[in-house]
Amino acid sequence: DTGVSQNPRHKITKRGQNVTFRCDPISEHNRLYWYRQTLGQGPEFLTYFQNEAQLEKSRLLSDRFSAERPKGSFSTLEIQRTEQGDSAMYLCASSLTQGNYNEQFFGPGTRLTVL
Amino acid sequence: AQTVTQSQPEMSVQEAETVTLSCTYDTSESDYYLFWYKQPPSRQMILVIRQEAYKQQNATENRFSVNFQKAAKSFSLKISDSQLGDAAMYFCAWRYGGSQGNLIFGKGTKLSVKP
Repeated sequence: DTGVSQNPRHKITKRGQNVTFRCDPISEHNRLYWYRQTLGQGPEFLTYFQNEAQLEKSRLLSDRFSAERPKGSFSTLEIQRTEQGDSAMYLCASSLTQGNYNEQFFGPGTRLTVL
Repeated sequence: AQTVTQSQPEMSVQEAETVTLSCTYDTSESDYYLFWYKQPPSRQMILVIRQEAYKQQNATENRFSVNFQKAAKSFSLKISDSQLGDAAMYFCAWRYGGSQGNLIFGKGTKLSVKP
């Protein structure tokens, strides 16, 4: 296991289309996070899972966004009816839950461009 | 709400010299962590160094060290003996000290290293 992986790495879509991204965390990590990073900004938290349960969602996660982690392993992030403002890098991170300090390991991200 | 501010959008340093990146934060929490992450161009984000708020001693990792001033809510990163591979975006981040919690990032500082 070489770390967190994300697919696809790049996605170009037309406004109004649906897109889905996948994140595979480090195998023993039970916590998984999604962040969005727009140009010139730091990553912003979207949501996170502990095992298959989605425990927190940011107000940034509009109704067009849905995230799942059905078996507590990989996760998908779907954006419906994409808008140009959705263009960003979508980052996934995973961590353990042992103790208070749980380093988050990041994937390479999926860069979304909405035309 | 917690905020993280990085006031230097870009910094430049000569190879082998020392550079300091600034970060300030605002929180009413007493238990939290602070981090510096490095994001090289087109590569994934990695943790450089972390600091527990309850520790007075400044964290050090090889050429990287922090100056943590809790009362001033300041958390700067010093990179000594800068190397070409240090060129990257550097993000300061805050996280609540409990077992759960997403990261709150600053906007980042782009560091260039001149040979």
